[in-house]
Amino acid sequence: QQQVKQSPQSLIVQKGGISIINCAYENTAFDYFPWYQQFPGKGPALLIAIRPDVSEKKEGRFTISFNKSAKQFSLHIMDSQPGDSATYFCAATYFSGTYKYIFGTGTRLKVLA
Amino acid sequence: NAGVTQTPKFQVLKTGQSMTLQCAQDMNHNSMYWYRQDPGMGLRLIYYSASEGTTDKGEVPNGYNVSRLNKREFSLRLESAAPSQTSVYFCASSEKGTAGGHYGYTFGSGTRLTVV
Repeated sequence: QQQVKQSPQSLIVQKGGISIINCAYENTAFDYFPWYQQFPGKGPALLIAIRPDVSEKKEGRFTISFNKSAKQFSLHIMDSQPGDSATYFCAATYFSGTYKYIFGTGTRLKVLA
Repeated sequence: NAGVTQTPKFQVLKTGQSMTLQCAQDMNHNSMYWYRQDPGMGLRLIYYSASEGTTDKGEVPNGYNVSRLNKREFSLRLESAAPSQTSVYFCASSEKGTAGGHYGYTFGSGTRLTVV
């Protein structure tokens, strides 16, 4: 119940294309769903996040789509660029004394020039 | 730059040796965390400290100990390193927003540890 399942494990997209990464969860206690972007040799950095009371959040070329009934959420990267090449982690979090995260296993995205 | 600072960046240990990974944050965050990152397994929580003076086990605490030295610093100790502890270790901090919301984790740049 504490798992967050992420797919695909790796993704190759042409420059200008749309990258889509999917995540699914079971625990309805999760109340915050962030996406993190990680470049090689760096720590993950918060990219965009959504709360379960909205179905979509957009920030620039990055959009989270959230389906509460299906317990699924996805990251869409529009007009993908080579600079977007990184590993992306979805996560789900709940508060119990502090914010506890359950991370997906990551998706390695490569955008071809 | 403001953020989370981890030291060292790289370390090679022999099996059975001990070491302490250091982490400090300058954002006045209450909560701090230690994660390990392994290929295909994402980030797994080792220990966390919800506030100064408290520490709790996470998902994979065996073989590790932690100390919340003060509000800024949170260290991770390997008492007797094993090859299974070869990993990249990340420290993170977070704070609850004034309206009860959450601003996400701020991660350090990691410590790459190899145990031979």
